[in-house]
This record gives sequence, C-alpha cells and structure tokens, in this order.
Amino acid sequence: GENVEQHPSTLSVQEGDSAVIKCTYSDSASNYFPWYKQELGKRPQLIIDIRSNVGEKKDQRIAVTLNKTAKHFSLHITETQPEDSAVYFCAASWDSNSGYALNFGKGTSLLVTP
Amino acid sequence: DAGITQSPRHKVTETGTPVTLRCHQTENHRYMYWYRQDPGHGLRLIHYSYGVKDTDKGEVSDGYSVSRSKTEDFLLTLESATSSQTSVYFCAISESMARSYNEQFFGPGTRLTVL
Repeated sequence: GENVEQHPSTLSVQEGDSAVIKCTYSDSASNYFPWYKQELGKRPQLIIDIRSNVGEKKDQRIAVTLNKTAKHFSLHITETQPEDSAVYFCAASWDSNSGYALNFGKGTSLLVTP
Repeated sequence: DAGITQSPRHKVTETGTPVTLRCHQTENHRYMYWYRQDPGHGLRLIHYSYGVKDTDKGEVSDGYSVSRSKTEDFLLTLESATSSQTSVYFCAISESMARSYNEQFFGPGTRLTVL
C-alpha cells in the first residue's frame, strides 16, 4: 500500500520567516495530494491540495509543489504568523471506485514564535 | 464546517465492552470514512464506505466493523474494546469522483478511552 513519509516532525520558526514541510510517497498511482492543518483539539481542515497534472499551486501565503518523478511534494508557508502554529499533515490518494481514501503522513508540529 | 456530526463526543468504557460510534452527515455525500488519530501515527484509515451497504477495510481494520444502512449514517463498532483502541476517532465525508478534486471534510471527532 501507499506509504507517506513527512519531515520534519517539529519545526520552529520566527514570525515572518518561511516554513517548508516535505513529504514523499511510494505509490506512483497516487494522483491527489492534500494538506491539512489541525489546531489543538480541533478537526483537520484542508488548506491546499494539488493533483498530479499540476506542478505547483499557490493560495496567498501558502504554496504546494509536486515532483512526480521523485515522488515528493512540499508545503511552503511564507511570512508566517503565530496563528499558523498547528500540526500540518500531508496525504496522498488515488482514483478508485471506492473514493479517495487518504494515506496521511505522521504530521509536522509547526510553532511560530513572535 | 460541513454538516457532519459525531456521537458521542467523549466516551470512557471498559475493556471487553462493545462500543458504537456514530457519524451523521446532512450533505448527502456518497463517500464516508473512519480514521483514528494517535500521537506519532497521524491519521490512519479504519474503514470506508462508497455507498449504502458498500464498505471496505482500511489500513487498521482489525477489531472494528462498520455499517451503513442509509446515506447519512456511518457506524463504527468495536465488538470488544481493548486498551489499544483508546484514540480519537474522526469521520470524514467526500463527494463523487466527478469533481476535479475530492476534498474530505472531517467531523469534530470522538475521544474514546478504554480502561
């Protein structure tokens, strides 16, 4: 089955700096790669996603890049703010008749200090 | 948040007792999923459903069963709870593959403690 590795497990940055989280996946059939943000005690919330026919996608301060050949994708957060502090999860899935069951990385705890 | 509720939100039970968690959606989404979240493991898929009475196993299905008798409800049952099933359980829903992408919406979670 699909195996998603995520690094680093913890990341601490100063406000205004950039943060980068990287993930690798093993199954070349994977074609959908979402990123979720989870604040303490809350549910995961989708912040950005990318499909395999696109190399990069940006939404304000957040961007995701995908390298299909190397089977890795990354989340980039620019101009970080304290409210960006949370746990971030990457995931991968592929088309099937049974839907898009996600395989998650183990998460990155991001701390943005003022 | 999408119209997803989970019940109960918190439960403490004893080893060996049966437990049923309920996920209810008002979005009429076809696909429903159960995940468990544990420190150091992220979210792991237990079971999922792709229609009424259509279910399949995920990565960590041992000790769990599911049922979906109507579109809006997806039940997760622990036949005989064990301490290793202490976890936070999240339900998620998604729509059809006809969309260009398929975002999963998560419920608020159920914190289960098995003593």
